[in-house]
Amino acid sequence: DAGVIQSPRHEVTEMGQEVTLRCKPISGHDYLFWYRQTMMRGLELLIYFNNNVPIDDSGMPEDRFSAKMPNASFSTLKIQPSEPRDSAVYFCASSSPGVEEKLFFGSGTQLSVL
Amino acid sequence: ELKVEQNPLFLSMQEEKNYTIYCNYSTTSDRLYWYRQDPGKSLESLFVLLSNGAVKQEGRLMASLDTKARLSTLHITAAVHDLSATYFCAVDTNFGNEKLTFGTGTRLTIIP
Repeated sequence: DAGVIQSPRHEVTEMGQEVTLRCKPISGHDYLFWYRQTMMRGLELLIYFNNNVPIDDSGMPEDRFSAKMPNASFSTLKIQPSEPRDSAVYFCASSSPGVEEKLFFGSGTQLSVL
Repeated sequence: ELKVEQNPLFLSMQEEKNYTIYCNYSTTSDRLYWYRQDPGKSLESLFVLLSNGAVKQEGRLMASLDTKARLSTLHITAAVHDLSATYFCAVDTNFGNEKLTFGTGTRLTIIP
């Protein structure tokens, strides 16, 4: 398996623009997570899905952020409009129910909002 | 609100020395994870600890869990340069909930 695949790897945009981050989880994994990593706040859970249904979006910082999972193999995280404080590395992760239930992380998207 | 604290935040150590990273959490947990992150890279799972007294070892790394003290340790034995990375612990607070809260991370630098 290719693992969790995220795109793009890097995104540079200007304030006010719409940004869409994409994620393909590992096939067969029921859970998908979006995390944000910054120096100041560390790793924060933004939202997670179970079987394509959003379960907990309490970590989504503002209404400017939205996430969807239209099917088991694809999810998007959208920021509209983007702001400089959204600059961070955004990770997608997936997992499968089981005793250990480890998260498998994608390579992340480095977002810079100018 | 669950809090997960690691210490130290930064650790520089010489090769061949031993050291321990500590992870404290504020509420009961079913599972505790340790992850490694190399600079500019993703997070890689190292250990999953499922019960009180659990101990797991892989090479020069050994992780343990004391659920009564709400404490996990990651012990490094005879450190080598390629162990330089940031290490995170993460806690699962509700069985089946899947929601992990990560610690602040410990940036480990091994000096030749």
